Amino acid sequence: NAGVTQTPKFRILKIGQSMTLQCTQDMNHNYMYWYRQDPGMGLKLIYYSVGAGITDKGEVPNGYNVSRSTTEDFPLRLELAAPSQTSVYFCASSYNRMNTEAFFGQGTRLTVV
Amino acid sequence: ELKVEQNPLFLSMQEGKNYTIYCNYSTTSDRLYWYRQDPGKSLESLFVLLSNGAVKQEGRLMASLDTKARLSTLHITAAVHDLSATYFCAVDLVDSNYQLIWGAGTKLIIKP
Repeated sequence: NAGVTQTPKFRILKIGQSMTLQCTQDMNHNYMYWYRQDPGMGLKLIYYSVGAGITDKGEVPNGYNVSRSTTEDFPLRLELAAPSQTSVYFCASSYNRMNTEAFFGQGTRLTVV
Repeated sequence: ELKVEQNPLFLSMQEGKNYTIYCNYSTTSDRLYWYRQDPGKSLESLFVLLSNGAVKQEGRLMASLDTKARLSTLHITAAVHDLSATYFCAVDLVDSNYQLIWGAGTKLIIKP
């Protein structure tokens, strides 16, 4: 099983540029999440989705957008990149919220210069 | 403010020793998760603790949850080098919309 696949693994953006981080899971999970991890910190939830067509904001949504047109895909869009968005981004999925663990992608290291 | 505090944040220890990582949280919850992260890698689930008094063990790692004290512990027995990693706890906010609050992580280095 591929599990959760994120692309790209690394990216450098200039201030003001935009990009989409891709995330795909093949486990038929309803729940998907985007987190960011800053150095020496725990994860912060950006957006999450509980199923196709349903998304909601997490703890730090400003500067980001998401969509969930299929169960498998949950892309994260960065508009007008800022240095504060330099971070490592993780996509994750879980079967449901209750009683279950989440499976994480390999991460995307983004630098905004 | 809702907080999840891990301590220590950094731990260097010798192989063969025992140690405990602590995870304190400031809100009511009976669901707590432990994850492991190797340098430059993704996160891997270790334990899911779902009730007061829950105890789970896998190899040299044992996790427990005391919801009344709002405390979880991750105990390492006879540490080996392969357990070197950063360990995160995350607390499920029962009344929130599917949000976990994460600790800052404990970086564990085990020396031969």
